[in-house]
Amino acid sequence: GAGVSQSPSNKVTEKGKDVELRCDPISGHTALYWYRQRLGQGLEFLIYFQGNSAPDKSGLPSDRFSAERTGESVSTLTIQRTQQEDSAVYLCASSQGGKNTEAFFGQGTRLTVV
Amino acid sequence: AQRVTQPEKLLSVFKGAPVELKCNYSYSGSPELFWYVQYSRQRLQLLLRHISRESIKGFTADLNKGETSFHLKKPFAQEEDSAMYYCALSGGTDKLIFGTGTRLQVFP
Repeated sequence: GAGVSQSPSNKVTEKGKDVELRCDPISGHTALYWYRQRLGQGLEFLIYFQGNSAPDKSGLPSDRFSAERTGESVSTLTIQRTQQEDSAVYLCASSQGGKNTEAFFGQGTRLTVV
Repeated sequence: AQRVTQPEKLLSVFKGAPVELKCNYSYSGSPELFWYVQYSRQRLQLLLRHISRESIKGFTADLNKGETSFHLKKPFAQEEDSAMYYCALSGGTDKLIFGTGTRLQVFP
């Protein structure tokens, strides 16, 4: 079976443009997570979904960042008016839900804002 | 608030030496703790979770609630253990947060 898939793998965009990052979780996984990994740094929590709802959006860095999930499946992370500090690898993960379940990660989207 | 602290960014040892990667957490309830690993050019993946009390690839980790720690240990490091290691915590919900990671380098 397919794992977590993210697209695009790489994205180069001009400062000020909007970008949309996509995550296809493992089928049946109710929990979905987005993280940001800046060069040389750890995983910064952005947002997570239980089903289509996002109980905790506290990690979103600014109102330029938004995310949605539909059909308890695909999720998109949108960054509006991108800035150079948005350059990072954006990781998506999914799990069956529950405190003890394993999170499965995608390969990430490397975003470069020039 | 949930917080995970990994004080060491880089840990370098020689093959056969013992390894301990430190992890401390902050959480008011009963946490679930995990170690994830990212080998070069591979996806981040689960190494072990405290509830399983398992040993994976020779690694073990014991939850110490008194010291709020979940250190990862291996008695004899191997070169293939070189990777980035992340400690993670899940609290009362599905929210899963990670520490900043420790890069382990094992020299021959």
